[in-house]
Amino acid sequence: DTEVTQTPKHLVMGMTNKKSLKCEQHMGHRAMYWYKQKAKKPPELMFVYSYEKLSINESVPSRFSPECPNSSLLNLHLHALQPEDSALYLCASSQDRFSYGYTFGSGTRLTVV
Amino acid sequence: DAKTTQPTSMDCAEGRAANLPCNHSTISGNEYVYWYRQIHSQGPQYIIHGLKNNETNEMASLIITEDRKSSTLILPHATLRDTAVYYCIVSLAPGISSGSARQLTFGSGTQLTVLP
Repeated sequence: DTEVTQTPKHLVMGMTNKKSLKCEQHMGHRAMYWYKQKAKKPPELMFVYSYEKLSINESVPSRFSPECPNSSLLNLHLHALQPEDSALYLCASSQDRFSYGYTFGSGTRLTVV
Repeated sequence: DAKTTQPTSMDCAEGRAANLPCNHSTISGNEYVYWYRQIHSQGPQYIIHGLKNNETNEMASLIITEDRKSSTLILPHATLRDTAVYYCIVSLAPGISSGSARQLTFGSGTQLTVLP
């Protein structure tokens, strides 16, 4: 298995809803990442997990809450989002040692209404 | 991580070579050059990376100048499916010393359009 799987592919949520995005990989990668991408902009890093521990948080608002339950799974919990949080959310993974290529999922297209 | 500069857009005729330039004049000695591409509405896809030697794989070739201040990604026979945004990124290789992950920081990239 050489893929990063993200679910759901599309999500519409209200500003008072709580939802979660899921990312899964079975390549034995020990680093996992969340990126946010607005339309016509490059991906922006949100969080980095290394060996299931949060190693980088790029000053992301607390309404985004990451979780890494095990080495294969990465979640992003969403609560009280704003319409400006609508974006493509991308998950990626890489081997920890001498990893030259990140593998990205296809993303979750999130719309906040 | 060093900053990169790429042209905003380029066109290429189908079947011809696409040469995508990237300037990274502040690159340090232990930083690699990575290339990724993103086809519309998909996740970025790793293409190739290099440190100082030229590299080739099944997708592309990477030419790095001797002073390492610029590089060129070459798609030898571009097809319509190569239409995408191409990102040049300079970064340390992840996990070299402490085991912590290094992040990729994307610049604006080059929109390559392959024309029939």
